[in-house]
Amino acid sequence: GESVGLHLPTLSVQEGDNSIINCAYSNSASDYFIWYKQESGKGPQFIIDIRSNMDKRQGQRVTVLLNKTVKHLSLQIAATQPGDSAVYFCAENMDSNYQLIWGAGTKLIIKP
Amino acid sequence: GAGVSQSPSNKVTEKGKDVELRCDPISGHTALYWYRQSLGQGLEFLIYFQGNSAPDKSGLPSDRFSAERTGGSVSTLTIQRTQQEDSAVYLCASSTALGDYEQYFGPGTRLTVT
Repeated sequence: GESVGLHLPTLSVQEGDNSIINCAYSNSASDYFIWYKQESGKGPQFIIDIRSNMDKRQGQRVTVLLNKTVKHLSLQIAATQPGDSAVYFCAENMDSNYQLIWGAGTKLIIKP
Repeated sequence: GAGVSQSPSNKVTEKGKDVELRCDPISGHTALYWYRQSLGQGLEFLIYFQGNSAPDKSGLPSDRFSAERTGGSVSTLTIQRTQQEDSAVYLCASSTALGDYEQYFGPGTRLTVT
């Protein structure tokens, strides 16, 4: 079946460095992609989204890149801070339904 | 304003008992979603509501699961005859409208079936 998955389950990054979290998706019909952040003991929090007619979108300290050719999505976090420690999920959607299909998540660990 | 709230925050129940989980969405949000998250896993979509209507119940894991929403606000997820495999965190989210995927999540209810 269709799935959204992540390349790395855990990513350790030095504080101040940039973080890159990757996500592969298999449903070529998906046209909307979202990144969420989940801190320990909390519900997920929306970070940034991108539609399939775009290949890059920037937010505050975050950039999402979409490569439809290889069905790859990435989240870049600039100047990683301790508060960025969390599990990051990518999710996809097709406009034909209202369900989000979630990846398994990547745990981001910040080294002091 | 207040965010999404869920109650109880933790629930321990014996196998075979029924449980009811509650979600209070953000005021004015017409769309409401229920998810299940097992330890260390991603989110499994269960059901969504537009107003009081849930047009697609196919995401519910079994007929022991049901959900309702009244007055376009509070929603309850009921699990009958709980099984150990139902143990998970149940998350509720709301958004301004269906199709708005900037969903606001509650803190979840951790359900443990013993």
